[in-house]
Amino acid sequence: AQKITQTQPGMFVQEKEAVTLDCTYDTSDPSYGLFWYKQPSSGEMIFLIYQGSYDQQNATEGRYSLNFQKARKSANLVISASQLGDSAMYFCAMREGYGSSNTGKLIFGQGTTLQVKP
Amino acid sequence: DVKVTQSSRYLVKRTGEKVFLECVQDMDHENMFWYRQDPGLGLRLIYFSYDVKMKEKGDIPEGYSVSREKKERFSLILESASTNQTSMYLCASSPPDFSDTQYFGPGTRLTVL
Repeated sequence: AQKITQTQPGMFVQEKEAVTLDCTYDTSDPSYGLFWYKQPSSGEMIFLIYQGSYDQQNATEGRYSLNFQKARKSANLVISASQLGDSAMYFCAMREGYGSSNTGKLIFGQGTTLQVKP
Repeated sequence: DVKVTQSSRYLVKRTGEKVFLECVQDMDHENMFWYRQDPGLGLRLIYFSYDVKMKEKGDIPEGYSVSREKKERFSLILESASTNQTSMYLCASSPPDFSDTQYFGPGTRLTVL
């Protein structure tokens, strides 16, 4: 069965330091996409970064990068130079199926709460 | 800018009431989704729709139904609300592109007393 696992319920990081949020996944589909979302206390889900299973390079978006290790089935989010505004819950998600089999469904992990300390 | 709106941010209902949660998107997306979010469980898919009048059950459809009469609107219905349906409900929409994200509404925090 398809599954996303985030093993860190909560994490702390000092402002300006880098932090890695872990995400492992399980799928038998060779075509899949991996997403990270940020959810501040206000509740809205903010898209951060995307990695496709066939992408050769790790995705980067500003201070966010995705450490994609396909053989290990991991897709860790790295936030560089943490800011106080990065304090939020972070979700890893996976989409399966490419082309006609793609329904757009996402499977989410349990989430990791990140707190940035000044 | 993609916009997904939900009819209420906060809602309080009584056990047994029929509850309607409305979601509207303005980007002509084919796919629409309803999730519930509970602490420690992440987001769980209730129902989704990939076209007008089409619907598919997600992982936890029991106690819920949906309606999609128009492309831009996807409604979640609790036929007879129960206390275990107290939760945050999130609506999302997405185009068919594989690599495109889902766009989320602000969420409705429903309390059933």
